[in-house]
Amino acid sequence: DVKVTQSSRYLVKRTGEKVFLECVQDMDHENMFWYRQDPGLGLRLIYFSYDVKMKEKGDIPEGYSVSREKKERFSLILESASTNQTSMYLCASSSGTSGPYQYFGPGTRLTVT
Amino acid sequence: KNEVEQSPQNLTAQEGEFITINCSYSVGISALHWLQQHPGGGIVSLFMLSSGKKKHGRLIATINIQEKHSSLHITASHPRDSAVYICAVHGAQKLVFGQGTRLTINP
Repeated sequence: DVKVTQSSRYLVKRTGEKVFLECVQDMDHENMFWYRQDPGLGLRLIYFSYDVKMKEKGDIPEGYSVSREKKERFSLILESASTNQTSMYLCASSSGTSGPYQYFGPGTRLTVT
Repeated sequence: KNEVEQSPQNLTAQEGEFITINCSYSVGISALHWLQQHPGGGIVSLFMLSSGKKKHGRLIATINIQEKHSSLHITASHPRDSAVYICAVHGAQKLVFGQGTRLTINP
């Protein structure tokens, strides 16, 4: 079974803090994705990566950065957290050979106060 | 206008009822996904289809490429089917998601 894990299920941070969200997949997938999910807006793509050290901006990259130093790990970084970044964050991965099928992690619910 | 529109946004039904959730999209796609998200956040993929119809247990998904429309049906609905159902289309190298349909099945 493919497993995508995220470092925390729930996280509470203060405005201005630097926040790291970690995602690890165990299936040697080339592609990894970070989404945020907000009521009424659905899932929106923040960043994705199709190889180690490669990254591409998604639809809403402002206020975020990412790091992919190893194939299995994709980190989302909030350099200076703000209250409008309170959201559910979901990581996903896919293989180049499996086409568009993505495997999702359990999500991290981040609250910025 | 969103590229992927789902209806209804919320649906409450009694156990045993036949459920239909609709998804319309406006972009060219290579595949369409139906996803299920239970309270707590985890998302699982129910179906990926690019034509015709797929069935898995009590779930049926259909797609009409010409009309750019897909439906997810649940037969003999059960309270454990209560979840958010999300339609997502695969366009140019990425998934585009609908807003989701929150389904509640009462016993």
